[in-house]
Amino acid sequence: ETVMTQSPVTLSLSPGERATLSCRASQSVTDFLAWYRQRPGQTPRLLIYGASTRATGVPARFSGSGSGTEFTLTISSLQSEDVATYYCQQYYVWPLTFGGGTKVEIK
Amino acid sequence: EVQLVESGGGLVQPGGSLRLSCAPSGFILGNYAMGWVRQAPGKGLEWVSAIGGGGTTYYADSVRGRFTISRDTFKNMLYLKLNSLRAEDTALYFCAKRLYDYGGPFDHWGQGTQVTVSS
Repeated sequence: ETVMTQSPVTLSLSPGERATLSCRASQSVTDFLAWYRQRPGQTPRLLIYGASTRATGVPARFSGSGSGTEFTLTISSLQSEDVATYYCQQYYVWPLTFGGGTKVEIK
Repeated sequence: EVQLVESGGGLVQPGGSLRLSCAPSGFILGNYAMGWVRQAPGKGLEWVSAIGGGGTTYYADSVRGRFTISRDTFKNMLYLKLNSLRAEDTALYFCAKRLYDYGGPFDHWGQGTQVTVSS
């Protein structure tokens, strides 16, 4: 099984600051990597797929990078509506696996 | 507009069974891969099962042999049959559409249906 490890577990930043979330795969997943946002009490929403492609309707402040085993989700200017837990997921090999999540809070 | 509506969850005793249903709209079920993802209370996301556009099925080790994914392309419905349920299967179960017929990320999610396994 490909284990996905996210860091940090919690990220607390002020509005307007840059948020950098990391995701590491235990083996290469090439660029078959997605990021999701789950706001409190809501269903997950796809943000990024193919490691760096924004999904339809996703604001430009969200960007993804990386390949192989190291990936990053960047929120260029944090807004209050970005308070959520963010998950990475690999879809390169079975079983599909998710990271444990990074919870983003506003100071 | 793509929508996914799950149903069939509930309270069941250990060892019991349930059948979850997912009613998609806005797309043809047989043209896309689909999956089920669950989330235990206060926990993260866990992939459970998937079915490809061609009908091939896949399962997480934790549910293989107990859960069965299926679809009815005439009714445009997706199902997950849960047998031999355990307390650790308690979770909110999401139906999710994948981006392509062969796989890809989950680009649309339902609101989920709650499964609680308890005596």
